[in-house]
Amino acid sequence: EVQLVQSGAEVKRPGESLRISCKGSGYSFTNYWISWVRQMPGKGLEWMGRIDPSDSYTSYSPSFQGHVTISADKSISTAYLQWSSLVASDTAMYYCARRGGTDYFYFDDWGQGTLVTVSS
Amino acid sequence: QSALTQPRSVSGSPGQSVTISCTGTSSDVGNYNYVSWYQQHPGKAPKLMIYDVSKRPSGVPDRFSGSKSDNTASLTISGLQAEDEADYYCCSYTGTYKFVFGGGTKLTVL
Repeated sequence: EVQLVQSGAEVKRPGESLRISCKGSGYSFTNYWISWVRQMPGKGLEWMGRIDPSDSYTSYSPSFQGHVTISADKSISTAYLQWSSLVASDTAMYYCARRGGTDYFYFDDWGQGTLVTVSS
Repeated sequence: QSALTQPRSVSGSPGQSVTISCTGTSSDVGNYNYVSWYQQHPGKAPKLMIYDVSKRPSGVPDRFSGSKSDNTASLTISGLQAEDEADYYCCSYTGTYKFVFGGGTKLTVL
């Protein structure tokens, strides 16, 4: 069974750094991109960026480029989303999602979400 | 990259059909047959309902169908059931390994 298990909820202050994780299991981690998706409170889904775990090649939405960093450690089948300096507007639920496979352009499995709260 | 345009809300009675539109541009929806649709119940992660415009993953009822014309994709749900009440999001590949979602549509089953 494919599973994406995300790290737990976080409460941070503005200006702090943070890294959240997404661990894949039940499949070959390096064969499937992982994307990160933001959902602000009461709002819709926003695609942030993705990583190819086989070579750590990344691409980002222009809306998020430069504000977050996506990385992966294929030795432990885990992808990460990282901020160096959080702001209040980073408060949101963050989902990781697995691409359907090579030559497929959809997300067939999702993590349970990580709630990030940034407040002074 | 601007979000794809979806109606904020749609509604229908049990047994009826509803259609949710998703309008993009010639750079995304109009240029690729890689439109997918996701269902999200409150407090839950999204679930894939349609991919490649009109294909259904195994386990998704055939009441759900998808189509596309030019820059607009559509999700049709026939034989509405109470459990279909949820938020629905379209998503399109935009090239260069990037994607864009729609703003989401709240489906109410009356």
